[in-house]
Amino acid sequence: ILNVEQSPQSLHVQEGDSTNFTCSFPSSNFYALHWYRWETAKSPEALFVMTLNGDEKKKGRISATLNTKEGYSYLYIKGSQPEDSATYLCAPIYTGTASKLTFGTGTRLQVTL
Amino acid sequence: DAGITQSPRHKVTETGTPVTLRCHQTENHRYMYWYRQDPGHGLRLIHYSYGVKDTDKGEVSDGYSVSRSKTEDFLLTLESATSSQTSVYFCAISATGYGPQHFGDGTRLSIL
Repeated sequence: ILNVEQSPQSLHVQEGDSTNFTCSFPSSNFYALHWYRWETAKSPEALFVMTLNGDEKKKGRISATLNTKEGYSYLYIKGSQPEDSATYLCAPIYTGTASKLTFGTGTRLQVTL
Repeated sequence: DAGITQSPRHKVTETGTPVTLRCHQTENHRYMYWYRQDPGHGLRLIHYSYGVKDTDKGEVSDGYSVSRSKTEDFLLTLESATSSQTSVYFCAISATGYGPQHFGDGTRLSIL
C-alpha cells in the first residue's frame, strides 16, 4: 500500500488569506499526480492532472506545482474565499499500476469571513 | 457535469443479504471505478474496469465483486453484506486510464 501524505490535515484561514498545502508521495515509477476538491455533501471534482517535474498548473486563484524527483506537490490558494472551503485530495498514479489512484486523506480547508 | 448516475442513492439492509449498486454513465468513457469513503481513510479503490468484461481489483476488494457487461454500466455487488461494509460508495469514470476522474453523487449504504 502506497504512503501518500497530505499536510496539514486541516486548516482554518480568514477570507483573503493565501494558503498552501503539501502532498508527499513515493517518487519511484511516478507517472502522474491528480488533485481534487471535495466540498461537503458533494462529490470530488478534478482540479489538476500533473505529469512533468517542475510542472505548474493554474485554475483561477488555485495553482499547483510538482516535484517528481523528491515526490511532492504544493497546492496554493491565493486570496481564499468562503467558497474555497473544501477538502483537497491528491492522488498519484504510477507506471504499471494500470490507472489506479491512491488518495491521500486530504487537507480540510475552512475559510471564514 | 459528466453524466454519471448512481443507484440507489441510499440503502439500508441487514447483515448477510446481497446488495448490488449500479453506476450508469452516458459519456462512453472506457474506465469506471468503485471507491468507498470512510472516516480516517479517505477514498479507497474497490474495483475498476478498463473495458467491457475487463475488471481488476483495487486496494479493498475483499467481499466485493463487479461486473461490466455494457460500456455504460458498472455493477458492484456485496454477496453477503457485513456491517464493516457500511460506507459511502462512489463511482467514477475516466476517458483514459491516467486522466481526470469524474465522480457520481455517491450511494450511502448502511448494513445493520
